[in-house]
Amino acid sequence: SQTIHQWPATLVQPVGSPLSLECTVEGTSNPNLYWYRQAAGRGLQLLFYSVGIGQISSEVPQNLSASRPQDRQFILSSKKLLLSDSGFYLCAWSPAGTVNYGYTFGSGTRLTVV
Amino acid sequence: GQSLEQPSEVTAVEGAIVQINCTYQTSGFYGLSWYQQHDGGAPTFLSYNALDGLEETGRFSSFLSRSDSYGYLLLQELQMKDSASYFCAVLAGRGYQKVTFGIGTKLQVIP
Repeated sequence: SQTIHQWPATLVQPVGSPLSLECTVEGTSNPNLYWYRQAAGRGLQLLFYSVGIGQISSEVPQNLSASRPQDRQFILSSKKLLLSDSGFYLCAWSPAGTVNYGYTFGSGTRLTVV
Repeated sequence: GQSLEQPSEVTAVEGAIVQINCTYQTSGFYGLSWYQQHDGGAPTFLSYNALDGLEETGRFSSFLSRSDSYGYLLLQELQMKDSASYFCAVLAGRGYQKVTFGIGTKLQVIP
């Protein structure tokens, strides 16, 4: 069966510090991968998606970046965090080559920038 | 781009039936999904409608009307554990389909 792992679960970082969040998927090959952010009490905003290694599409201009160094690994990074980067970050995957109607989410990382 | 509207909050009594509506505006529409998210947790996929009509999965049903750009999630025999946020989401796009989420409806089930 497929599983998705995301870490860390919580993170408190000072303004201006770097960020690296990692997500890995097991039990499938060539998944579509996504990073979403959810502000407190709000909906989910798509940040990045990837359909293959090294293929990253950005949805929202910001000081975040994403990378996919391996087939089932997706990394969200920032060189210098802003207060507005606080939120709940969720990684998700869906099968490739199909209509992607059902996403499976990781457990999320709650980031607080102080 | 896409836009979705759903009520921000709904309160219902345990054992009752509740309907959460969702209207959307989008191009390249493929289908409408519903997700459940408990406080502090990750969203979990509930259902997907690509065609008009009602899809039933246990106590949950989801409806879609493509001509009206409208759908709803119907929860029957409400239980306290159904208290959560429910998101509608459209799958749309030309060339590559992406899922865009609404802001969510917070459902509170009361005794």
